[in-house]
Amino acid sequence: QVQLQQSGPGLVKPSETLSLTCAVSGGSITNDYWNWIRQPPGKGLEWLGFFYYSGSNRYNPSLQSRITMSVDSARNQFSLRLSSVTAADAAVYYCARSSGGWHKFDFWGQGTLVTVSS
Amino acid sequence: DIVMTQSPDSLAVSLGERATISCKSTQSVLYNSNNMDYLAWYQQKPGQPPKLLIYWASTRQSGVPDRFSGSGSGTDFTLTISSLQAEDVAIYYCQQYYSSPFTFGPGTKVDIK
Repeated sequence: QVQLQQSGPGLVKPSETLSLTCAVSGGSITNDYWNWIRQPPGKGLEWLGFFYYSGSNRYNPSLQSRITMSVDSARNQFSLRLSSVTAADAAVYYCARSSGGWHKFDFWGQGTLVTVSS
Repeated sequence: DIVMTQSPDSLAVSLGERATISCKSTQSVLYNSNNMDYLAWYQQKPGQPPKLLIYWASTRQSGVPDRFSGSGSGTDFTLTISSLQAEDVAIYYCQQYYSSPFTFGPGTKVDIK
C-alpha cells in the first residue's frame, strides 16, 4: 500500500517560493508518476503537474513559468517548488500518484494548507 | 484544455434513495485505439484528500462499495449512488485524464434530505 507523507511550510510570503515535499512509502519513486494538485479553500481541484523519474515532467501551462518538480531518489521523495507566489496561490496542496501512464490519482498525501501572507 | 462541467451543483437525497450526478466534457475523452473513456470520479469529505471511486468511466476502484457506479461515454457521464448512506455525504468530482492538463469538474455536493 503506497503512502504519501507531505511536509513543508504552511506560510509563504508574497513573491517568495513555495516548497513542499512528498515522501513515498510502500512504493518506489522510480516507478509511476508523481503529481501535485491544489485546492483553494472552498474551491475545486487544479492539477499542477507530474514528475516522472525518466525526466519527462509535465506541468500545467497555467503555471509553466513558475513551477519545478524534482525527485530525491535516495530518500524516495519528490518536491514541488512554485516561485513568485501571490494570494492566488493560497490553497491546500496535495501530492498524488498516478500509474501506468494513465493519470487518475489513486493515492494521495494528506494535504498541506499554504497561506500566502507577509 | 478540456473543460469539465457537473450538474447539479448540489443535491439532497433521502437515506436509501438514489443519487445521480452528471458530468460533461467539452470534448470526447474516449480514446479510439483502446475504446476506453479516460474519466474518473472522486469523493471528497471535509478535511480529507479526494478518494478515487471510479476510473475508465465505470470501473470501481478496489474497496469501493458496489452502490457506486459510473456510466457514460464520449462527453457525457453519470455517477450513481444506488442507495445513499450517511457516510456518502461528500463532494464528488469528475476528472478527465485523456489529455494534459488533466482537469476536474467543479464538484457536486451530496447531502441527506
